[in-house]
Amino acid sequence: GAGVSQTPSNKVTEKGKYVELRCDPISGHTALYWYRQSLGQGPEFLIYFQGTGAADDSGLPNDRFFAVRPEGSVSTLKIQRTERGDSAVYLCASSVTGARTDTQYFGPGTRLTVL
Amino acid sequence: QKEVEQNSGPLSVPEGAIASLNCTYSDRGSQSFFWYRQYSGKSPELIMSIYSNGDKEDGRFTAQLNKASQYVSLLIRDSQPSDSATYLCAVSPYSGNTPLVFGKGTRLSVIA
Repeated sequence: GAGVSQTPSNKVTEKGKYVELRCDPISGHTALYWYRQSLGQGPEFLIYFQGTGAADDSGLPNDRFFAVRPEGSVSTLKIQRTERGDSAVYLCASSVTGARTDTQYFGPGTRLTVL
Repeated sequence: QKEVEQNSGPLSVPEGAIASLNCTYSDRGSQSFFWYRQYSGKSPELIMSIYSNGDKEDGRFTAQLNKASQYVSLLIRDSQPSDSATYLCAVSPYSGNTPLVFGKGTRLSVIA
């Protein structure tokens, strides 16, 4: 079956602009996670959805970052007033139920570059 | 602050040797432990998961967990050049539904 998909694969934007990153999880997976990975670092948690609701948004760095999952499937990560420090690979993962023993399957990521 | 520590490497081993990757974590309440492999420019891929103290074997891979020492390791037997990648240790620090805390990863290079 299809894995986690993310679009776009690459996004270049200018400082101060608004961007949206999309994640389409594996069909039937209720849990969806957003992580951010900078060069030479491991993925860093941003936000976790269980169904349509954000179960844990403690990883969002500030109020410029926001994410939605209105129908419990596709999710969009939104970044306002982008800064150069936002440049990273944004990874989306999904799992069947979100239980601690679930495997999280990662998408290919969106590489965001803020000039 | 929940932390997961790994030696960044690179760890170089000859083909056919055993590669040993180590990870320590700070949250004693951590419940689940995962090893992901990440090839350059690609996304993480799950290699092993372990939840109880002791060893868990899957093919050439063995995960070892010692909760008392807050230590988890991954052994790769008969290392192949195709094993060359960054190995990420990830810990689920709470019971119930939870995101993962990742280490920075150890870069492994298997020399033919």
